[in-house]
Amino acid sequence: QVQLVQSGAEVKKPGASVKVSCKASGYSFIGHYMDWVRQAPGQGLEWMGRINPNSGGTNYAQKFQGRVTVTRDTSISTAYMEVTRLRSDDTAVYYCAMYSSTSKTLDYWGQGTLVTVSS
Amino acid sequence: SYELTQPPSVSVSPGQTASITCSGDKLGDRYACWYQQKPGQSPVLVIYQDTKRPSGIPERFSGSNSGNTATLTISGTQAMDEADYYCQAWDSSTGVFGGGTKLTVL
Repeated sequence: QVQLVQSGAEVKKPGASVKVSCKASGYSFIGHYMDWVRQAPGQGLEWMGRINPNSGGTNYAQKFQGRVTVTRDTSISTAYMEVTRLRSDDTAVYYCAMYSSTSKTLDYWGQGTLVTVSS
Repeated sequence: SYELTQPPSVSVSPGQTASITCSGDKLGDRYACWYQQKPGQSPVLVIYQDTKRPSGIPERFSGSNSGNTATLTISGTQAMDEADYYCQAWDSSTGVFGGGTKLTVL
């Protein structure tokens, strides 16, 4: 069965960086884009960006361009999302999600990683 | 940038029909999908390509999309349906979510 297992919660200071991992299993990792979505406390879902694990190609929401980088390691079926220059409003749960090109949906989601930015 | 607008909250009595709307410019020209999220859990897809239900989603969930509005309809709403619901569409290759609607079953 498809599983996306994310790394554990992080606490960071403003200005620091954080890198969240998402290990995929149960499907062809290079066969599906991996998207990243975040959710601030008590707020809605916000799409951040994606990676094509096969080519390494990425695209990002305009809001995150220049501050967010998504990468992958195909040898271990893992995607990574790094946010630099963290601010307090980056405090959120970050999700990875497998994109299905057939249905154009995010079919499987990781369990989420809470990133807290606090001085 | 493209935007999707949802009502913040909808209330429904058990057994009645709940309708949650999602508005966006010419949304009917794109596919809309809907995610359900319960407290402390990851989102779950309940409707895709406007009207289709993934396997395992009850038949009481249905969807439509025309003009500027997509609608998620839950017939015979049950207490277990109480959750936040998000519509989502694609603007080129960029994902766009609505602000979410809290469905209360009371």
